[in-house]
Amino acid sequence: GAVVSQHPSRVICKSGTSVKIECRSLDFQATTMFWYRQFPKQSLMLMATSNEGSKATYEQGVEKDKFLINHASLTLSTLTVTSAHPEDSSFYICSATSALVPEKETQYFGPGTRLLVL
Amino acid sequence: GQQVMQIPQYQHVQEGEDFTTYCNSSTTLSNIQWYKQRPGGHPVFLIQLVKSGEVKKQKRLTFQFGEAKKNSSLHITATQTTDVGTYFCAGSNSGYALNFGKGTSLLVTP
Repeated sequence: GAVVSQHPSRVICKSGTSVKIECRSLDFQATTMFWYRQFPKQSLMLMATSNEGSKATYEQGVEKDKFLINHASLTLSTLTVTSAHPEDSSFYICSATSALVPEKETQYFGPGTRLLVL
Repeated sequence: GQQVMQIPQYQHVQEGEDFTTYCNSSTTLSNIQWYKQRPGGHPVFLIQLVKSGEVKKQKRLTFQFGEAKKNSSLHITATQTTDVGTYFCAGSNSGYALNFGKGTSLLVTP
């Protein structure tokens, strides 16, 4: 099946710093990537949808200037949490889907990145 | 906007008992997907249902999509300890974005 990787898997940073999370589709071209946030024992909340080469579409309540998303190629999307604060601590998960495969609407999830802001 | 409700929130069963989780959408869906997330892990795709009234089986797991394409269920027969985890349904109208239910956490004791 399709493989999606995320890096780093875990990061601890000081308040006020910026953190970049990478999401890569390893064996397929991801025409669309999604970024989710999951707080402990809660569901996945969609943050934004990004299509390769275009600006990301953010969900209501998600600050686009705080969560910068870049989808520069068909295999890489990055999420940068700028000026991170403790309330940004969460599990960030990306997923990828491809319009180029028969199972167009199946999302393949990365392993997630646990962010802890001190 | 579209909302996906999932019940129950938690379920604790003895090994060998059956388990069912239910998912309801406020709007008609183009498809519904089910995911399993083990503790500490990430969601893993289980199945996608597209057709009205569709029923699919994966070994002990049975997935149903309602006739109106607004509800779905996942039934596990004779649970095993390996079934432990949180099961999420996720509905889509179009454009691939998924709305996840809150999930049902299943605990299976031997």
